[in-house]
Amino acid sequence: QSALTQPPSASGSLGQSVSFSCSGTRGDIGSSDFVSWYQIKPGRVPKLIIFEVTKRPTGVPDRFSASKSGNTASLTVSGLQPEDEATYFCSSLVGTNHFVFGTGTQVTVL
Amino acid sequence: EAQMVETGGALVQPGGSLKLSCEVSGLAVSLNFFSWVRQVPGKGLDWVSVIYSEDSTFDSDSVKGRFTTSRDIFKSIIYLQMTNLRVEDTAIYYCARGFGSGAFDVWGHGTLVNVS
Repeated sequence: QSALTQPPSASGSLGQSVSFSCSGTRGDIGSSDFVSWYQIKPGRVPKLIIFEVTKRPTGVPDRFSASKSGNTASLTVSGLQPEDEATYFCSSLVGTNHFVFGTGTQVTVL
Repeated sequence: EAQMVETGGALVQPGGSLKLSCEVSGLAVSLNFFSWVRQVPGKGLDWVSVIYSEDSTFDSDSVKGRFTTSRDIFKSIIYLQMTNLRVEDTAIYYCARGFGSGAFDVWGHGTLVNVS
């Protein structure tokens, strides 16, 4: 199972929006209702910010939104804040009992 | 509050073995599913294995036949037995609690395995 493909970096100005993709195949993202996104800051553990393609866990700001089209998922961070600087990873359930993560996107707030 | 603490990471030679533990508190091991996920420092996340509430386990192709995931529901511990270790297994190993059917919402701080 190959890693999902994400752009290495993305950036946006303070208060603006940034979006980036997570590309997979018909065998993972394309056939899964279970795409999730994680935020990782240096020295911290991964934080779940999106599950089941579009849902936010309690406490995650609605500035974070996500979608999926075909074999590609996307994450959008609106109203960028300094604390949004982090690396973001996507993940997908593969079949019923395997998982795959993305390559990660480093987000910079300008 | 749910918490997980991984231990057991060490420096080990190629071909060696190591057993990691993930001590779980604040939730029932028997009612949840857990995964081991690893990360080479500065690199991406790599899914290793999953153990479901009914005690079934599944592994990534990269560790199949070498790693075994198990649990002790009475001690609330998830284990990762690693054998025939390779240099490319070097990483921080995280234990994570499954959320819904396809996400992980509680993560430990990880334990470093260095195969060299």
